[in-house]
Amino acid sequence: GQQLNQSPQSMFIQEGEDVSMNCTSSSIFNTWLWYKQDPGEGPVLLIALYKAGELTSNGRLTAQFGITRKDSFLNISASIPSDVGIYFCAGQLRGSTLGRLYFGRGTQLTVWP
Amino acid sequence: IAGITQAPTSQILAAGRRMTLRCTQDMRHNAMYWYRQDLGLGLRLIHYSNTAGTTGKGEVPDGYSVSRANTDDFPLTLASAVPSQTSVYFCASSPRTSSYNEQFFGPGTRLTVL
Repeated sequence: GQQLNQSPQSMFIQEGEDVSMNCTSSSIFNTWLWYKQDPGEGPVLLIALYKAGELTSNGRLTAQFGITRKDSFLNISASIPSDVGIYFCAGQLRGSTLGRLYFGRGTQLTVWP
Repeated sequence: IAGITQAPTSQILAAGRRMTLRCTQDMRHNAMYWYRQDLGLGLRLIHYSNTAGTTGKGEVPDGYSVSRANTDDFPLTLASAVPSQTSVYFCASSPRTSSYNEQFFGPGTRLTVL
């Protein structure tokens, strides 16, 4: 099946630092989504991207839809303890009418005070 | 409050037993999905439904069945549970299946099969 390669697998940073993570694929996507999952809860949608080159912000979070349509990036600026969690990328293949999303395996973020 | 509800929150089940996980959404979304989440494997699609009355198989459908009798409900049934079906199950919904497919997730059901 389709695979999204998400990296890094985990990150340990100090409060106040900036964070970057990315997702790549060998296929072209028409939608990229970024989710955050807190322990014991379901994933929550953070940012949605629909156009190649699109750069979208949500507070301290900024995500970009890569120009090649095969990758996406998420940046978190000035991290705080509540940023702790697992971040997932998800994408929908170009031309798909079934609505299926493919998910990366997640980036576990730990923020030290 | 609009959203997705799942029941039960958690369940311990003996192998061989039948179990139905319930999912209800009140957002009038057309599409609904069932995922399982396992450590190190991320979210994997089990079954989906693009509209009431239709269902389709996802990446890991074996051992599971679904039905979509109406827009709001999308139950997932394990006919005869096996230990490998121990997982956290998430239901999701989306207003559309073409572009702009934003999926919204429920709180999950943690299932343990012994």
